[in-house]
Amino acid sequence: SYVLTQPPSVSVAPGKTARVTCGGNNIGSKSVHWYQQKTGQAPVLVIYYDSDRPSGIPERFSGSNSGNTATLTINRVEAGDEADYYCQVWDRSSDHWVFGGGTKLTVL
Amino acid sequence: EVQVVESGGGLVQPGGSLRLSCAASGFTFTNYAMTWVRQSPGKGLEWVSVISGSGRTTYYADFVRGRFTISRDNSKSTLYLQINNLGPDDTAVFYCAKAMTTETSNFDSWGQGTLVTVSS
Repeated sequence: SYVLTQPPSVSVAPGKTARVTCGGNNIGSKSVHWYQQKTGQAPVLVIYYDSDRPSGIPERFSGSNSGNTATLTINRVEAGDEADYYCQVWDRSSDHWVFGGGTKLTVL
Repeated sequence: EVQVVESGGGLVQPGGSLRLSCAASGFTFTNYAMTWVRQSPGKGLEWVSVISGSGRTTYYADFVRGRFTISRDNSKSTLYLQINNLGPDDTAVFYCAKAMTTETSNFDSWGQGTLVTVSS
């Protein structure tokens, strides 16, 4: 089955740029979606189809996908961005949705 | 406003069953696939199952092993998940989410979840 690999944690100072990676075999050939989950809350879609942003999501959030790595980038990080972030793809070979293990973003 | 609200969770003994429901509003229910995702305490998101807008197409995660059945009643704008033969590893918050299209796609609206606790 397809596996997505995320770093368990990323730390960044306020105002700086955070990058959360999602690794997978030839992930660049798939569409990647990203979710933000704050403590005690339901997940929220922040990026879909690699780089599209739902309405209401700040422009500070962006995404890219190429080769074996997809990346969620958060510019000018704020304290309110502290959350767990999950990447997701559809694996056509198994007809399964796959989530990465999640990355905890800590704002220092 | 799009809204999905889960219900039906609770404490169940090992080997028991539950039927989870997800009431949807604010959108044309039949036009969108729906999915269940679970999250065990302190763990990550785990996809469970998805059903197309028509209800004709369903997919399940491997761990389901025939124990779970996803269904929908488009006349009631309600999604269901029948979960049988529950074990302690099934203890989790179960989230219902709306897909962006009729067939399976990413999930753009999530409920607050319903907690299933499997314990004797």
